[in-house]
Amino acid sequence: DAKTTQPTSMDCAEGRAANLPCNHSTISGNEYVYWYRQIHSQGPQYIIHGLKNNETNEMASLIITEDRKSSTLILPHATLRDTAVYYCIVRVLGTGFQKLVFGTGTRLLVSP
Amino acid sequence: GAVVSQHPSRVICKSGTSVKIECRSLDFQATTMFWYRQFPKQSLMLMATSNEGSKATYEQGVEKDKFLINHASLTLSTLTVTSAHPEDSSFYICSASSGTAGPHGSGNTIYFGEGSWLTVV
Repeated sequence: DAKTTQPTSMDCAEGRAANLPCNHSTISGNEYVYWYRQIHSQGPQYIIHGLKNNETNEMASLIITEDRKSSTLILPHATLRDTAVYYCIVRVLGTGFQKLVFGTGTRLLVSP
Repeated sequence: GAVVSQHPSRVICKSGTSVKIECRSLDFQATTMFWYRQFPKQSLMLMATSNEGSKATYEQGVEKDKFLINHASLTLSTLTVTSAHPEDSSFYICSASSGTAGPHGSGNTIYFGEGSWLTVV
């Protein structure tokens, strides 16, 4: 089972920041938080990942709380092309492999 | 970023036949590849994990004799759906990792292919 909970859907106005929350209260000390997004009928696209420090790249920023029980993905200036399902995933370390188990994700709708 | 390619992107097959889907890592060596399936309006469901040169590890409830996975090289894994039925129609997605396996491996990125639509008629 997925170890994260996310809101089912969110709306955002074009040009504004989109803040997508994720709860992962049972995360272990050496488990990473990954964010992917999936645009309709395509494979998931990697966005960002982190362990405990905040991370930023050209796509987004990832803010992880000090207790690591939750995180927020920030798209600083959302565009229409950012409309997608966003998945917050905790990397499951089972049988020595890096499995990614997907939850239901957040459907982000960016509107003009 | 790293590229993972799947082929074919769409395939239609007759009920009772077998169909093979290929997953290739184009610019890195993938020690581990993963296969998912996704039904419309649902999330991705992990089917199996494959490591180069060894047998795949299947998730609970996934029939290993029906979904044959071969990871013969560091850049290629194949999923064969045997004796396909209409209920096997789905979006199949692979992903690949070059990272170090194990609990103390770094947060190596896992990249996904474009997906393959299978329709069984």
